Amino acid sequence: DSGVTQTPKHLITATGQRVTLRCSPRSGDLSVYWYQQSLDQGLQFLIQYYNGEERAKGNILERFSAQQFPDLHSELNLSSLELGDSALYFCASSPQTGNTEAFFGQGTRLTVV
Amino acid sequence: GENVEQHPSTLSVQEGDSAVIKCTYSDSASNYFPWYKQELGKGPQLIIDIRSNVGEKKDQRIAVTLNKTAKHFSLHITETQPEDSAVYFCAASRGGLTFGKGTHLIIQP
Repeated sequence: DSGVTQTPKHLITATGQRVTLRCSPRSGDLSVYWYQQSLDQGLQFLIQYYNGEERAKGNILERFSAQQFPDLHSELNLSSLELGDSALYFCASSPQTGNTEAFFGQGTRLTVV
Repeated sequence: GENVEQHPSTLSVQEGDSAVIKCTYSDSASNYFPWYKQELGKGPQLIIDIRSNVGEKKDQRIAVTLNKTAKHFSLHITETQPEDSAVYFCAASRGGLTFGKGTHLIIQP
């Protein structure tokens, strides 16, 4: 158990809908990262937050957004969902930002039908 | 941005033999190189990492080597066991992790 908690574990929704994925980082970790994992693209970095502030952006679509709250949990919002958004979404946390160990949650499997 | 290439995509070895997975990276400013193991239905798990001021690091049956000049790093697993079967990912970082596409390691009994 990495100490990173993601909910829900599974999510099935229809095209055009909006969903929110939640992540609770390890106790004391200030950084939260979101990744998308699909079969053909591997692990793609979406976005990083550090202590409530956006720190880095990767290949995140404009239909996606995230935030980190004062208690350090984070939410990833996916809207106007398309079939191609079906993937595993992982959250990872680390104590600081920069080059440091990142610990992953178990992921949320999103299926868009 | 950073680009990480990982080879092979699938590796099948006999139990007890060694396995080697290789990665190259493009950004010479990257200075942190972790390896993750992902089992079916689980999130990636950090198994070993190396920083750019070190050439080699070992932890029991697992070792990682780094050649900064050539921008190569490799994972070595010795005396492989059935529980080593998984997908392994390398990554390079200068502030954010860029992952390779993964190697499916199969340990044949």
